[in-house]
Amino acid sequence: GNSVTQMEGPVTLSEEAFLTINCTYTATGYPSLFWYVQYPGEGLQLLLKATKADDKGSNKGFEATYRKETTSFHLEKGSVQVSDSAVYFCAPPRGGYQKVTFGTGTKLQVIP
Amino acid sequence: DGGITQSPKYLFRKEGQNVTLSCEQNLNHDAMYWYRQDPGQGLRLIYYSQIVNDFQKGDIAEGYSVSREKKESFPLTVTSAQKNPTAFYLCASSPLGTGGSYEQYFGPGTRLTVT
Repeated sequence: GNSVTQMEGPVTLSEEAFLTINCTYTATGYPSLFWYVQYPGEGLQLLLKATKADDKGSNKGFEATYRKETTSFHLEKGSVQVSDSAVYFCAPPRGGYQKVTFGTGTKLQVIP
Repeated sequence: DGGITQSPKYLFRKEGQNVTLSCEQNLNHDAMYWYRQDPGQGLRLIYYSQIVNDFQKGDIAEGYSVSREKKESFPLTVTSAQKNPTAFYLCASSPLGTGGSYEQYFGPGTRLTVT
């Protein structure tokens, strides 16, 4: 079945540092790919998505490019802020009728 | 505004009591999901439903039950058989189909404490 391998955390960065969180996937075909973010005490929110190969999803300064040649969807941000401290989940690809099983996510802590 | 609501946000129960967590969505989504999250852990799938009156067990269904009598509602009952029920519970929904993208929309969660 479809699955992801996501970099383990926690990741601690200073404010304005560059962020990369690695995510590689296995999937049948070329499904949409997603990154979610969870702030403390809240539910998950969709951060960005890419619906086909070579697409770049972006939101709030975060970017991820759907690379089918390396089966990767790494999350990047050029300059992190303290407010970016959260847990980030790379969601496994799924077809419309498949369940989704999330991993543990990557906790990011940004210090001033 | 469309979205998912979960109530209550905090719930306290005594050991041995069943408790039902509410989840309602007005997004007209076919699929709904329940996840459990423990401190510092990822999400684990409890149950999911793709259509009214049908649902499937996820990875950790023991000690839980669900119903799907209406498209917009998917309540979760934590029974006394669940050995360690204290956790953060998240409900989600998504559209279904063979085309398009299927992001999940999450509720704000219910934090259940059993003592």
